Amino acid sequence: AQTVTQSQPEMSVQEAETVTLSCTYDTSESDYYLFWYKQPPSRQMILVIRQEAYKQQNATENRFSVNFQKAAKSFSLKISDSQLGDAAMYFCAYSTRVGSYGKLTFGQGTILTVHP
Amino acid sequence: NAGVTQTPKFQVLKTGQSMTLQCTQDMNHNYMYWYRQDPGMGLRLIHYSVGAGITDQGEVPNGYNVSRSTTEDFPLRLLSAAPSQTSVYFCASSSGTRRGYTFGSGTRLTVV
Repeated sequence: AQTVTQSQPEMSVQEAETVTLSCTYDTSESDYYLFWYKQPPSRQMILVIRQEAYKQQNATENRFSVNFQKAAKSFSLKISDSQLGDAAMYFCAYSTRVGSYGKLTFGQGTILTVHP
Repeated sequence: NAGVTQTPKFQVLKTGQSMTLQCTQDMNHNYMYWYRQDPGMGLRLIHYSVGAGITDQGEVPNGYNVSRSTTEDFPLRLLSAAPSQTSVYFCASSSGTRRGYTFGSGTRLTVV
């Protein structure tokens, strides 16, 4: 079974600075998807960024980017120019491309605090 | 443009009571899911459905039932509530693996 591990229960960053959240996963599959979701205090789950394993290029969405290291099974999220609104719980998630019916396996989550 | 509508947002149950969490989506997604979120454990899959009339168990199905009579609706039933079922529950839907999920707003359930 696939597992996803987020080893940082909590992280903090100063406003306008850069922070990196770590995620590792364990799988025997070669074709899969990885996601980062954001959960602000409102509890709503919001998709931040998505990476397809067969793509070498790291995904980027505005201030959010990933460092995808397939051989190391690592998928970190970098938030640049951090804003107060980035404060949230962040979840890393994994899904195989074939046969999973879209089921996601989530990590434990990292709480990000942004200091003004 | 409702997306996934989940009700109620909060609920307190007594041990042994039953209840149904409602979930409706208006995006014509085939795939629907129920997860529970517990501190330090992330989100864990309870049940899922790949279309009307088809459901299957996830990682933590015990104590829960689901059905999918229409594409839109995917209710989650707690048969006899236990304190261990105190959690935040999320319903989600998807059109396929690549796109990720659209989530409901969650239900905070407390069983006393």
